[in-house]
Amino acid sequence: QKEVEQDPGPLSVPEGAIVSLNCTYSNSAFQYFMWYRQYSRKGPELLMYTYSSGNKEDGRFTAQVDKSSKYISLFIRDSQPSDSATYLCAMTLYGNKLVFGAGTILRVKS
Amino acid sequence: NAGVTQTPKFQVLKTGQSMTLQCAQDMNHNSMYWYRQDPGMGLRLIYYSASEGTTDKGEVPNGYNVSRLNKREFSLRLESAAPSQTSVYFCASSDWNAGDKNEQFFGPGTRLTVL
Repeated sequence: QKEVEQDPGPLSVPEGAIVSLNCTYSNSAFQYFMWYRQYSRKGPELLMYTYSSGNKEDGRFTAQVDKSSKYISLFIRDSQPSDSATYLCAMTLYGNKLVFGAGTILRVKS
Repeated sequence: NAGVTQTPKFQVLKTGQSMTLQCAQDMNHNSMYWYRQDPGMGLRLIYYSASEGTTDKGEVPNGYNVSRLNKREFSLRLESAAPSQTSVYFCASSDWNAGDKNEQFFGPGTRLTVL
């Protein structure tokens, strides 16, 4: 079993839809939970991060962590074609090494 | 400010050939990382260097060697390439301190094909 599980998709939605991206993990000691966005043929970039449990909102993006269920989510409201990318979840215990999910390919159709 | 740069962008090798992937960062970061990305596998850590003068194995180090040449540069060497090393390779750097989230900044990647 992988330490971090993420459905690779692809997930295809119409413009304006609410998108939900999810990861599950097995190591209850993880402290930092991150979402990276990767455009085609580019390197990943940090989109959002959350420390421990709870929600964090940044514009159209909301990150949620449920440590009791070992489940994290990224919600995108009013999705745009420019949101089309691969979204990778990542998590870490003490920060020195990140563990990444497989990434979910998102396609937003105009 | 170029961030993280990688050379070459593309490379085709024959089985058994060797090559070195170069990475440099201009953000004065202490830590540098090499990952490979394969379909359905996400990013897997090959080697990392927490600070100048130190290197450590990651999840998939077999078949690779690294050199932290100075604070800016971190190279990855394939001594005898195998088809299983066909992948996209990413270098990353961060200004990580213990207890911090470790935001990593990635280069544009090197697409390597081993025939």
